[in-house]
Amino acid sequence: QKEVEQNSGPLSVPEGAIASLNCTYSDRGSQSFFWYRQYSGKSPELIMSIYSNGDKEDGRFTAQLNKASQYVSLLIRDSQPSDSATYLCAVNMPYGGATNKLIFGTGTLLAVQP
Amino acid sequence: DGGITQSPKYLFRKEGQNVTLSCEQNLNHDAMYWYRQDPGQGLRLIYYSQIVNDFQKGDIAEGYSVSREKKESFPLTVTSAQKNPTAFYLCASRTGALGNTIYFGEGSWLTVV
Repeated sequence: QKEVEQNSGPLSVPEGAIASLNCTYSDRGSQSFFWYRQYSGKSPELIMSIYSNGDKEDGRFTAQLNKASQYVSLLIRDSQPSDSATYLCAVNMPYGGATNKLIFGTGTLLAVQP
Repeated sequence: DGGITQSPKYLFRKEGQNVTLSCEQNLNHDAMYWYRQDPGQGLRLIYYSQIVNDFQKGDIAEGYSVSREKKESFPLTVTSAQKNPTAFYLCASRTGALGNTIYFGEGSWLTVV
């Protein structure tokens, strides 16, 4: 079982719709969770972080965390063509002693159709 | 401006050559990381360093080496022992506090010719 799993996509949504991106993780001791956006040929940029159960909203983005189900999601409202990118889920997992390691999923490719 | 600077952005390596990718940060971050990304794949951790003069192997360290002589700098050498080095290399950093956000440089493309 992969430590952080995402559907590779592509996820295609029409402009103005809600895009829903999902991520599951294997380690129940994970404490912090991140969503990065990566345009083709560019480095990842952080768009959301979430640390506690529930929803966290920032503009058109909402991150949702359910630790009991080991599930984290990202909703993008009013999707725009400029949102077309690969979205990486990253999870801070315990890694021996007091350290942790940031594990990335393989990413979901989102395509917003004009 | 604060950030992470990687150089060169594009690099070509001949078979049997060692090459070094530079990574410098002025964010005063304690921890630094090197990731490799292959087309259509996720990020894989090569090496990381949590403090100066200390570093640890990640998941795919074979064929790579690093040093951390200064807090600001974490260069990665891709040695001739790395048989398939063509990839996008990303340097990242964050503060030492657990759970803090990791930030990336702009990346370096390495191609074997």
